[in-house]
Amino acid sequence: GESVGLHLPTLSVQEGDNSIINCAYSNSASDYFIWYKQESGKGPQFIIDIRSNMDKRQGQRVTVLLNKTVKHLSLQIAATQPGDSAVYFCAESGGYQKVTFGTGTKLQVIP
Amino acid sequence: GAGVSQSPRYKVAKRGQDVALRCDPISGHVSLFWYQQALGQGPEFLTYFQNEAQLDKSGLPSDRFFAERPEGSVSTLKIQRTQQEDSAVYLCASSLAGGNTGELFFGEGSRLTVL
Repeated sequence: GESVGLHLPTLSVQEGDNSIINCAYSNSASDYFIWYKQESGKGPQFIIDIRSNMDKRQGQRVTVLLNKTVKHLSLQIAATQPGDSAVYFCAESGGYQKVTFGTGTKLQVIP
Repeated sequence: GAGVSQSPRYKVAKRGQDVALRCDPISGHVSLFWYQQALGQGPEFLTYFQNEAQLDKSGLPSDRFFAERPEGSVSTLKIQRTQQEDSAVYLCASSLAGGNTGELFFGEGSRLTVL
């Protein structure tokens, strides 16, 4: 079936550097994309979202880029901090809001 | 509390036992979702409610799984005759509105271990 997936299972970055987490999706009908952060023992936490009529959206220290041509999504975190260490999931949604998650990327921030 | 609350946080069951997992969504939230998350994996959709109506149960893995939300608020996920493959974290999420409008708020999950 169609799915959302990630290129890199683990990403290690130095504190203060920028992080880029990538995601490929295969469902061309997806019109809404979300990034979630999940810390150990907790539920996923919404970070930022983007709709298919946009190619870039910025939040506080985070930017999501969407390339519909190649079905690619990325999350950029500026000035990565130890508190950013977590597993990050990209997800896609269509219709009534059913969200399909990818397998996740673990971000490790090196102090 | 202000967030989605799930109970129990941890449940150990012997194979064949029935379990019930409870979700208290954020007050006033229309939509409620159940997800199953295996170790090291992303959450997998189980079922969706809009108020008391179960609009999608396509993700329930077998007829041993049953979910309800009788008054459009608290929801219960019931698993009958548990099997080892049911071991996972069960996540509940709610959102203010129905439709494709944005943020889901997740609870911390109920971790089920079937021996």
